[in-house]
Amino acid sequence: EAGVTQFPSHSVIEKGQTVTLRCDPISGHDNLYWYRRVMGKEIKFLLHFVKESKQDESGMPNNRFLAERTGGTYSTLKVQPAELEDSGVYFCASSQRHRFSGNTIYFGEGSWLTVV
Amino acid sequence: AQTVTQSQPEMSVQEAETVTLSCTYDTSENNYYLFWYKQPPSRQMILVIRQEAYKQQNATENRFSVNFQKAAKSFSLKISDSQLGDTAMYFCAFFEGGGADGLTFGKGTHLIIQP
Repeated sequence: EAGVTQFPSHSVIEKGQTVTLRCDPISGHDNLYWYRRVMGKEIKFLLHFVKESKQDESGMPNNRFLAERTGGTYSTLKVQPAELEDSGVYFCASSQRHRFSGNTIYFGEGSWLTVV
Repeated sequence: AQTVTQSQPEMSVQEAETVTLSCTYDTSENNYYLFWYKQPPSRQMILVIRQEAYKQQNATENRFSVNFQKAAKSFSLKISDSQLGDTAMYFCAFFEGGGADGLTFGKGTHLIIQP
């Protein structure tokens, strides 16, 4: 069974450009999460999808970030325009259920974003 | 807001030794979950062990065990008979159902197992 896959694995863009990160969750997982780790800081929750609906987007830093999950399968996270402080690792995770009892969240390897 | 603190940015031990990674957290809730995740170099982050706060018994998974001290809000991870493959970043994480949908993570501890 394929795990959570993320693309691209690494991206270097200039300040002001746009970058789109993609996440393919494990097949059948309705719950999809985006997290971000800025260098030297904690991994921070960005948002949570249940199928195609945004369940919680309280962690999205500002309106330069747009996440979508059309059709409830893969998700994209677009940063437009990118700023220097957006550099970091963007993790995607998925799970069958949201509640933690008896449930496991699976993470992808992350997409490294460097804004120069 | 919940916070998770990992006070050891990096640790290094010899293969076969036992190592303990520390984690403290802050919450006013009584029901929550605690986790240790491991991220090897260039690999996915995987769940090592979990603990439900309502369970008094410390969780154990093979060579990995936790020391959960609820009153002290401490959740340390013990790795026995450490192996080279244990080299990784270890993240302590917290979740309680009444807050945001995501996990709250610590900054991580980089554990290096020396041959």
